[in-house]
Amino acid sequence: DQQVKQNSPSLSVQEGRISILNCDYTNSMFDYFLWYKKYPAEGPTFLISISSIKDKNEDGRFTVFLNKSAKHLSLHIVPSQPGDSAVYFCAASGRTGNQFYFGTGTSLTVIP
Amino acid sequence: NAGVTQTPKFQVLKTGQSMTLQCAQDMNHNSMYWYRQDPGMGLRLIYYSASEGTTDKGEVPNGYNVSRLNKREFSLRLESAAPSQTSVYFCASSVAGRGGRETQYFGPGTRLLVL
Repeated sequence: DQQVKQNSPSLSVQEGRISILNCDYTNSMFDYFLWYKKYPAEGPTFLISISSIKDKNEDGRFTVFLNKSAKHLSLHIVPSQPGDSAVYFCAASGRTGNQFYFGTGTSLTVIP
Repeated sequence: NAGVTQTPKFQVLKTGQSMTLQCAQDMNHNSMYWYRQDPGMGLRLIYYSASEGTTDKGEVPNGYNVSRLNKREFSLRLESAAPSQTSVYFCASSVAGRGGRETQYFGPGTRLLVL
């Protein structure tokens, strides 16, 4: 049973426009959320995180929004660049341990 | 700093064979993890080790064993490989950031094919 869901397997965006990647979760005990970026044949790399005490966290071109009531988070990339083309995973964890639950990923293609 | 390293990069096994996947980190992290990634399934946690000398099961531990050899190294063993264990395996280590929450750093992965 997938506790973290990314319902869009792929997304294409023009260079310079906004990319919005979505993630939903079912476990109300999750209170910490992360986004990872993955290039082919490499491991995921950490991008940005957000704690449930916030509803927004920003780092340069990347902003994560958290809507706790909807159990939904999104990653906004503005402006999108061709180098952003990768698979993006969202992940969630609760207070009680080191267990992280990952979504299935969204493949982003930024078209030059 | 090499970060998290994994060996081998690629391996082919026959059903029933055994092998150990090696992982090492040079970031002095306490926690280490093993994940598998399958198409359409995301990353699923196999085992983790919160500190040297401790290991705990994750979501999908069946068919695997782990050893936290020291603070740097965390190995994953398949005693009798099965085709269902064909996957890409990622090792990770983590450090607590601001607010005390962990951020994971991943190795490049090991592609395993079980025939």
